[in-house]
Amino acid sequence: DIQMTQSPSTLSASVGDRVTITCRASQNINIWLAWYQQKPGKAPKVLIYKASTLESGVPLRFSGSGSGTDFTLTISSLQPDDFATYYCQQYKSFPITFGQGTRLEIK
Amino acid sequence: EVQLVESGGGLVQPGGSLRLSCVASGFTFRNYWMSWVRQAPGKGLEWVADIKPDVSDKFYVDSVKGRFTISRDNAKNSLFLQMNSLTVADTAVYYCARRGLDFQGWIDPWGQGTLVTVSS
Repeated sequence: DIQMTQSPSTLSASVGDRVTITCRASQNINIWLAWYQQKPGKAPKVLIYKASTLESGVPLRFSGSGSGTDFTLTISSLQPDDFATYYCQQYKSFPITFGQGTRLEIK
Repeated sequence: EVQLVESGGGLVQPGGSLRLSCVASGFTFRNYWMSWVRQAPGKGLEWVADIKPDVSDKFYVDSVKGRFTISRDNAKNSLFLQMNSLTVADTAVYYCARRGLDFQGWIDPWGQGTLVTVSS
């Protein structure tokens, strides 16, 4: 199975900050990686797919990069609506696996 | 608008069974891989099962193999998850999810989720 390791688990930041979340795969997953945002009590929403493609309607302050085993999600200037939990997911092979999540909280 | 609406969750005793349903609309259901993903209270996301568009292949996470069965009815735009021999560890919100036109597809969208509680 491909293990996905996110860091940090919790991130405290302020509105306007630039933040980066990293995700490492235990083996090469090429670009088969997605990032999701989840708010309390809601279903996750896709932000980025194929490692760096921005989902339609997602603000341009979100960006993704990486390939192979190392990936990043960057929010260029945090907005109040961005405080949520973020998950990476590999879909190169079964079983599909998620990172453990990064909770982004207000400093 | 693409929509996925789950139903069938509830309270069940350990060892019991439950069948989840998901009705899809707004897209050509028969063309897409479909998934179930769950989230235990306060925990992260866990992929549970996938089914190919033509039903010819099904995939499961190890922890549910032999107990859960994913199925679909393309004529009724419906996805199902039959869950048997339930344990406390299966307590979670279960999300119906659309993946892609091939097996390497991300999840978009997700249903609103249905809560399954396994407790005596």
